[in-house]
Amino acid sequence: GAVVSQHPSRVICKSGTSVKIECRSLDFQATTMFWYRQFPKQSLMLMATSNEGSKATYEQGVEKDKFLINHASLTLSTLTVTSAHPEDSSFYICSAREPRINYGYTFGSGTRLTVV
Amino acid sequence: QKEVEQNSGPLSVPEGAIASLNCTYSDRGSQSFFWYRQYSGKSPELIMFIYSNGDKEDGRFTAQLNKASQYVSLLIRDSQPSDSATYLCAGNYGGSQGNLIFGKGTKLSVKP
Repeated sequence: GAVVSQHPSRVICKSGTSVKIECRSLDFQATTMFWYRQFPKQSLMLMATSNEGSKATYEQGVEKDKFLINHASLTLSTLTVTSAHPEDSSFYICSAREPRINYGYTFGSGTRLTVV
Repeated sequence: QKEVEQNSGPLSVPEGAIASLNCTYSDRGSQSFFWYRQYSGKSPELIMFIYSNGDKEDGRFTAQLNKASQYVSLLIRDSQPSDSATYLCAGNYGGSQGNLIFGKGTKLSVKP
């Protein structure tokens, strides 16, 4: 089946620093990728839609200057959390729309971010 | 507004029983439906998708779609403790360019 690789799986950073998370589609091209955040015992929350070659579309309430998204190729999208604070600590998950599963999403394995 | 509704649970069933998970949707324009399983601390993984009325079976899992009544369900036969997870229902509005609308998930607990 389709594979979406997400890296790193876990990161701890100091408050005020930036963290970059990578999401790659390994065996298919993804013109669109999606970034989610999930707090403990809560639902997935869509943060933004990443479009190859154009600007990302952010959901209401998500700061685009804090969560920088770059989708420079058909197989790679990155999310950079800038000037991270403890309240940004969360589980970040990317996904891509996959034609072989009727355009459902294949999810990356997620990144556990802890800001200390 | 397009919505997908699920009972948050928890749904508790004994080992070996059939677990029935249900989902309703608000917009008849949805074309495909997806069931994902999410273990605690992990990302969602696709179990099945369905786009035609009726049943679709895959091993112990059966997805059922009823477009007239706007509901989709997932049956898990011979439930195992390893099936304990949160199950997410999602609808696709828009085909190849559509985005999935997720329900909030139903937590299933299978008791040994």
